[in-house]
Amino acid sequence: KAGVTQTPRYLIKTRGQQVTLSCSPISGHRSVSWYQQTPGQGLQFLFEYFSETQRNKGNFPGRFSGRQFSNSRSEMNVSTLELGDSALYLCASSFPASYGYTFGSGTRLTVV
Amino acid sequence: KNEVEQSPQNLTAQEGEFITINCSYSVGISALHWLQQHPGGGIVSLFMLSSGKKKHGRLIATINIQEKHSSLHITASHPRDSAVYICAVINSAAGNKLTFGGGTRVLVKP
Repeated sequence: KAGVTQTPRYLIKTRGQQVTLSCSPISGHRSVSWYQQTPGQGLQFLFEYFSETQRNKGNFPGRFSGRQFSNSRSEMNVSTLELGDSALYLCASSFPASYGYTFGSGTRLTVV
Repeated sequence: KNEVEQSPQNLTAQEGEFITINCSYSVGISALHWLQQHPGGGIVSLFMLSSGKKKHGRLIATINIQEKHSSLHITASHPRDSAVYICAVINSAAGNKLTFGGGTRVLVKP
């Protein structure tokens, strides 16, 4: 079966712009979670969605938001981009967490 | 203090050597993942453990729930094992979100 698909793979944006990243989970998985990975902070949890509802949220500013659609696909949005938002953004799907997580290949965002 | 601590941060081994990576955590967990990340970024889940020991090929993962400690062993290491290995716990006190260790960068030389 198809894995977790993230689009786009690479993105370059300028400061102040906004960006939307997409994650399509494994078919049947209803939970999608998002993570930010930077060299300095490592992997950090952003938020998790289950059945279109945000179930958990990490310690990120309100500029970071997300949503989940009825088909379980999820998007995350970052508004007013800052240089420090440059990172690899990963999503993972699960059904549910006790069955383990499957990660996507990530979107590498560069803010210039 | 981080909730999930890994050691060592970096490890260099000669091909064929036995490698051990350790993970200690301070929170209640429902399970623990060992993840592998190659250059390029994609993450693969190697194991999910809630007790005991699991083996897959040359990889062995163990967990001691009472001691809040897990280890990942690579037997007969090979250059293709070179990657970053990350311990991640499913934090039952925080809505089952994943909390990550800092990772161990492994380089296996031929």
